Amino acid sequence: DAGITQSPRHKVTETGTPVTLRCHQTENHRYMYWYRQDPGHGLRLIHYSYGVKDTDKGEVSDGYSVSRSKTEDFLLTLESATSSQTSVYFCAISDWNSPLHFGNGTRLTVT
Amino acid sequence: KQEVTQIPAALSVPEGENLVLNCSFTDSAIYNLQWFRQDPGKGLTSLLLIQSSQREQTSGRLNASLDKSSGRSTLYIAASQPGDSATYLCAVIDGGSQGNLIFGKGTKLSVKP
Repeated sequence: DAGITQSPRHKVTETGTPVTLRCHQTENHRYMYWYRQDPGHGLRLIHYSYGVKDTDKGEVSDGYSVSRSKTEDFLLTLESATSSQTSVYFCAISDWNSPLHFGNGTRLTVT
Repeated sequence: KQEVTQIPAALSVPEGENLVLNCSFTDSAIYNLQWFRQDPGKGLTSLLLIQSSQREQTSGRLNASLDKSSGRSTLYIAASQPGDSATYLCAVIDGGSQGNLIFGKGTKLSVKP
């Protein structure tokens, strides 16, 4: 799958705990994205990165933070998980004006 | 704010039929438009990318067209097969989004044997 690995694939956590999701790429692509997918809402952008240490907010960034210290890794952190953050999270990569390639997703359940 | 709409939300057709999926967007100032396929429980797979300067792209039985001025794209699937059953999403990068794709909610296609 275009050299993208998301970890973990599944996670169950309790409300109020911190959670970090990892996206690792082997394609040396410049852009990396975190999306969440929910029934009725489709795919919504949380944060994206256009280079090492260069990140920006997306449509639904509240409650999430990201870091990109290396080209290949993009981390998504929920500082204090809430039930509304139960979702499927997808990482994607691309270069400018080229197709987006998605990871297989992380299914997160916050109880 | 760019909005992407896909109609219909669901479509069921018999095997062998040719079909068209529709995508519309509100702001014609786009860099490109992409079509994806998503199988249940899986990530998205890129099918076709049309640059803003192009009118269409083809891959096998798939043909995507783009009419920027009217804010529309269509995905044509020829001779549909049960294996084509999936959700198809379109997405655009517009001038103000720094590479961010804005997605429609998809059309769920079911091809009956």
